[in-house]
Amino acid sequence: DAGITQSPRYKITETGRQVTLMCHQTWSHSYMFWYRQDLGHGLRLIYYSAAADITDKGEVPDGYVVSRSKTENFPLTLESATRSQTSVYFCASRKLGQGTNTGELFFGEGSRLTVL
Amino acid sequence: AQKVTQAQTEISVVEKEDVTLDCVYETRDTTYYLFWYKQPPSGELVFLIRRNSFDEQNEISGRYSWNFQKSTSSFNFTITASQVVDSAVYFCALSRRSEKLVFGKGTKLTVNP
Repeated sequence: DAGITQSPRYKITETGRQVTLMCHQTWSHSYMFWYRQDLGHGLRLIYYSAAADITDKGEVPDGYVVSRSKTENFPLTLESATRSQTSVYFCASRKLGQGTNTGELFFGEGSRLTVL
Repeated sequence: AQKVTQAQTEISVVEKEDVTLDCVYETRDTTYYLFWYKQPPSGELVFLIRRNSFDEQNEISGRYSWNFQKSTSSFNFTITASQVVDSAVYFCALSRRSEKLVFGKGTKLTVNP
C-alpha cells in the first residue's frame, strides 16, 4: 500500500549506542522531514530534505545525522544516544508545490524511542 | 523567522459545548500556508485543513470551522457541539510553499461526557 512507514515503531536503547530510525515513502514526494515530539515543546524539526542528496538542518539537529541517497528513504541516525533524545519521532513527506498550491505534510505513525 | 503560538495549553469542555482553539502566527512572507492537524490519543497526526495567505474565506466542514484573519495574524479553529471523539491534541502550523512546517506547541482538548 502507498504511504509513509517508519521502523521500528518502538525502540529501547542505552546511552552511547547508535540508533537508526528508518522512514520510507511510496509517493515519490520531494520533501521529507524528521520531527521530534516532546511534552511542552510540540513538534520540532530535526532535519529535512528537499530531494535526494539534499539535506538541511532544522531547529534541533545536534546529535542527529541524516542521509537521503534515494528519494523514498530518509533514515535518521542518533550516533551516540543520550537520555535527552528520548522522544517520539515522526517522519513526514510533502509534495513539491505547484503554482500557488502546496501540499500538506503526510506523517508516519511515529517511532517511540527510549534511551536508558 | 516564522513562529506559531497556541496560547491555550489545555482546554476542558463538556460534550455539546462549542470550543475555539486559538492560533496566532508570525511571518514576513506574503505567501504562506496555514494548517491544522489533530493528534488523537492513538498518536497519529491527522491533517484537518490547509489555507493559503491569499484566501481569507472562512471554511466550514461539518462541526469544524476555521476563521482566518490576516489583520490579526490568526487562524482559529472552532468545534461546534463538541463530542468525546474530538478529544485530542490540536496543532496549528505555518509554512512557505513546499518547505518545512513550523508547529505551535499544541492545545490539548478534553471533551467530557
